[in-house]
Amino acid sequence: EADIYQTPRYLVIGTGKKITLECSQTMGHDKMYWYQQDPGMELHLIHYSYGVNSTEKGDLSSESTVSRIRTEHFPLTLESARPSHTSQYLCASSESEMLSYEQYFGPGTRLTVT
Amino acid sequence: SQQGEEDPQALSIQEGENATMNCSYKTSINNLQWYRQNSGRGLVHLILIRSNEREKHSGRLRVTLDTSKKSSSLLITASRAADTASYFCATGGSEKLVFGKGTKLTVNP
Repeated sequence: EADIYQTPRYLVIGTGKKITLECSQTMGHDKMYWYQQDPGMELHLIHYSYGVNSTEKGDLSSESTVSRIRTEHFPLTLESARPSHTSQYLCASSESEMLSYEQYFGPGTRLTVT
Repeated sequence: SQQGEEDPQALSIQEGENATMNCSYKTSINNLQWYRQNSGRGLVHLILIRSNEREKHSGRLRVTLDTSKKSSSLLITASRAADTASYFCATGGSEKLVFGKGTKLTVNP
């Protein structure tokens, strides 16, 4: 099992609420990623980070924001949740060695916005 | 896009049978990876094959890569009910992986 954690695992929240999805890893990895995945579908990269104070937008446009103040922590925030944000959010990390692209995934947060 | 696409979308077999899943992609890659996802969980890395490799084994898994056809296959031998999951291929060139839509494998006891 990878040492990468996500909380909460499940979240049901009303429209307009601000939420933060937590992701932490204890492997000392520099690179971290957030993916969005609808049931039975592919993963879409929404944010990634090369290291502390680095954040980049991914391939799928997202209204969420991220921060990377500490190596081990990469939270994702939605300022005003909408039903269209209902999805599973997966956090991952990887080592910065160029020849190794293996990513380690957390268990995911299943978000439902009512 | 380097997106991999798996085939078939769904596969149902009996325990003990072999399962083969295929992945096709569009552009040059440095490596191709296979991941497993159990229902409602995160992904688990299974195997990475580099662009200069043709075949790789890991336990009951066998992966092949044909860069001339831009395709890869994942073979699971002697399948078990616990192998029931979705399997994704992911292609990578630098730091971002691009995942396909996955093959949903069901192994019936």
